[in-house]
Amino acid sequence: QSALTQPASVSGSPGQSITISCTGTSSDVGGYNYVSWYQQHPGKAPKLMIYEVSNRPSGVSNRFSGSKSGNTASLTISGLQAEDEADYYCSSYTSSSTNVFGTGTKVTVL
Amino acid sequence: EVQLVESGGGLVQPGGSLRLSCAASGFTFSSYDMHWVRQATGKGLEWVSAIGTAGDTYYPGSVKGRFTISRENAKNSLYLQMNSLRAGDTAVYYCARGRGVGAFDIWGQGTMVTVSS
Repeated sequence: QSALTQPASVSGSPGQSITISCTGTSSDVGGYNYVSWYQQHPGKAPKLMIYEVSNRPSGVSNRFSGSKSGNTASLTISGLQAEDEADYYCSSYTSSSTNVFGTGTKVTVL
Repeated sequence: EVQLVESGGGLVQPGGSLRLSCAASGFTFSSYDMHWVRQATGKGLEWVSAIGTAGDTYYPGSVKGRFTISRENAKNSLYLQMNSLRAGDTAVYYCARGRGVGAFDIWGQGTMVTVSS
């Protein structure tokens, strides 16, 4: 199972919106509404930000939203803030009853 | 407080074995799928294994046949038995609670495993 493809880096100014893509195949992202997104600050454990494509866990800011079209899922961060600077990973359930993460995206707030 | 605490990491020689443990607290452990996820230094996340509430287990090809996930609900504990370890298994290993299908909502702080001679 190959890792899902994410851009290595995305940047934006405070207050702007950015979108991170996550591309897989019909055997993972495209086949199930089981895509999740994680935020990871340096030296910390990942934090769940979005599950089942577009659902936010309690306590996660509504500035974070998720969507999916075909084999590509997306995470949008609106009103970018300095604290959003982190690594972001997508994950998907697969047809083999396994899970696969994306390659990861470093978000920089300019 | 909902919490996961991993232990058991350390330095092991190639070909050796190690058993990781994860102690859960603050939630009904037996009601949740549980997972192990690892991260090599400076690299991305890699899903390693899962165990369902009924004890069903799942692995990616990279560890299948070498790693075994298990749980002991009476002790609120999750385990990962790792055999035939390779240098490529060197990573921080996290245990994580499953949320529905394909999501991980609670993570431990991780335990470091180093495979080196």
